[in-house]
Amino acid sequence: DAGITQSPRYKITETGRQVTLMCHQTWSHSYMFWYRQDLGHGLRLIYYSAAADITDKGEVPDGYVVSRSKTENFPLTLESATRSQTSVYFCASRSGGLREKLFFGSGTQLSVL
Amino acid sequence: AQSVTQLDSQVPVFEEAPVELRCNYSSSVSVYLFWYVQYPNQGLQLLLKYLSGSTLVKGINGFEAEFNKSQTSFHLRKPSVHISDTAEYFCAVSDLSGYALNFGKGTSLLVTP
Repeated sequence: DAGITQSPRYKITETGRQVTLMCHQTWSHSYMFWYRQDLGHGLRLIYYSAAADITDKGEVPDGYVVSRSKTENFPLTLESATRSQTSVYFCASRSGGLREKLFFGSGTQLSVL
Repeated sequence: AQSVTQLDSQVPVFEEAPVELRCNYSSSVSVYLFWYVQYPNQGLQLLLKYLSGSTLVKGINGFEAEFNKSQTSFHLRKPSVHISDTAEYFCAVSDLSGYALNFGKGTSLLVTP
C-alpha cells in the first residue's frame, strides 16, 4: 500500500539498549521528519532530512541518531535508551517546501523500562 | 525562532454547539500557519493552512480559521461540532524560509451528547 509506514507499532525495551524505529514512505518525498509526542509538550522535532544523505538536528536531538541512505527510508536509532525517551514517535514526510502538507505515520509507542 | 501557544489544553463542548480553539504565535517575520488534527491512536492530518492572501481559511470537516496579524492569532472555529470531532488539535507555525514546523502543545476537544 502506498503511504508512510512506521514499525514497530509498539516497542518495550530496557535502559541502555539500542533501539531502531523504522520509517518508510512510498511517495519519494524529499523531506522526512521525526517527532516525539509527550503529554504537556506536544510534538517536538528530533531530526529532519531534506534529501538522501542530508540530515539535520531539530529541537531535541540528544540521544538519537538518524540516517537516510535511501529516499524512502528514514530510521531513527536510540543508541542507549533512557527512561526519558519513553514516548510516542511519529515519522512524517513532505513532497516539497513548507507550503506542502505533512503526511504522518501512525506512530511507534516506545516504553523504556 | 517561531513558536505557537495554544491557550487551552482541554475544551469540552456539547454536540451541535460552536467551538473555538485558540492559537497565538510569536514571530518577527512572515509565517505560514497550520492546524492539524489527531484522532485517537493515529498520526496527524492537515485540517487547513494559511500561506498568504485571504485571512479566512476554510478547511476540511467544516473547520475554518482566521489569521489576525495584529493580534498574532490563528484561531480555529467550527459552527456546530459532532461527536466525531473529538480529537487532539495542533496549531503549527514556520517562517517562510524554514524546513520544519513548530507545533503547539495541543488542545484536546471533547464533544459530548
